[in-house]
Amino acid sequence: DGGITQSPKYLFRKEGQNVTLSCEQNLNHDAMYWYRQDPGQGLRLIYYSQIVNDFQKGDIAEGYSVSREKKESFPLTVTSAQKNPTAFYLCASSVIGQAKGYGYTFGSGTRLTVV
Amino acid sequence: QKEVEQDPGPLSVPEGAIVSLNCTYSNSAFQYFMWYRQYSRKGPELLMYTYSSGNKEDGRFTAQVDKSSKYISLFIRDSQPSDSATYLCAMNDYKLSFGAGTTVTVRA
Repeated sequence: DGGITQSPKYLFRKEGQNVTLSCEQNLNHDAMYWYRQDPGQGLRLIYYSQIVNDFQKGDIAEGYSVSREKKESFPLTVTSAQKNPTAFYLCASSVIGQAKGYGYTFGSGTRLTVV
Repeated sequence: QKEVEQDPGPLSVPEGAIVSLNCTYSNSAFQYFMWYRQYSRKGPELLMYTYSSGNKEDGRFTAQVDKSSKYISLFIRDSQPSDSATYLCAMNDYKLSFGAGTTVTVRA
C-alpha cells in the first residue's frame, strides 16, 4: 500500500540535543512538507520541498533543518536552537501544483517531548 | 490576524444531531477548500474538498463555500460516536493554510 511512514512515533529529547525525525513516502509525490501541531494552533508549516535537493522555509523554520537527497525521503532535524520543541510533528506529501482538489497525504506523526 | 480562523471548540453533541463547523479566511486568492478529519494521535485525512463557491455532498457530510463572504462550512448529519475527532479546514493558493481545528465529541 502507498503511504507515508514517519518514525519514531514517540521521541524524547534532552536539553541541548539535536534529534532527527524520519519521513518516507512511496506515493511518487514530488512535494513534501513538515508541519508542527500544537494544541489550539492548528498546523504550522516548518519546511517544504518540491524537488530533490531543494527546499524552502515555511512559517516557523527557525531551529529546524531538513534535507531532500532522495525523492522518497524528507528528514527533519530539530536542533538545540529550537527553544520549545515539544509538539506533534506531521510530514505530508502531494503532487506538484497539487491542491487541485487532491490535498495532502499525511503520515501518522511523531510526538516529540523534551525531558 | 491569521489567514484562516476556526473556532477550536470543543463541541459536544448527542448522537444523531447535526454537527455544524465553519471557518473564515482573509485571502481572496484561495480557490480550493478542504476539510480534514484527525483522530487522536493520528495524522489528518482528507474528508472533503470543494473548488470555488458552492455545495458538495458526500453521504452524511456536506461542505459549503461562500467566497463572497470568505466563509466555509462542514455539516455532519446523523452524527455517530465514530465522528468524534478534530476537524481542520484547509485552503490554498500555492500551499495549504490550515485552521486551528475544532474538536468534536459525539455522545452515545
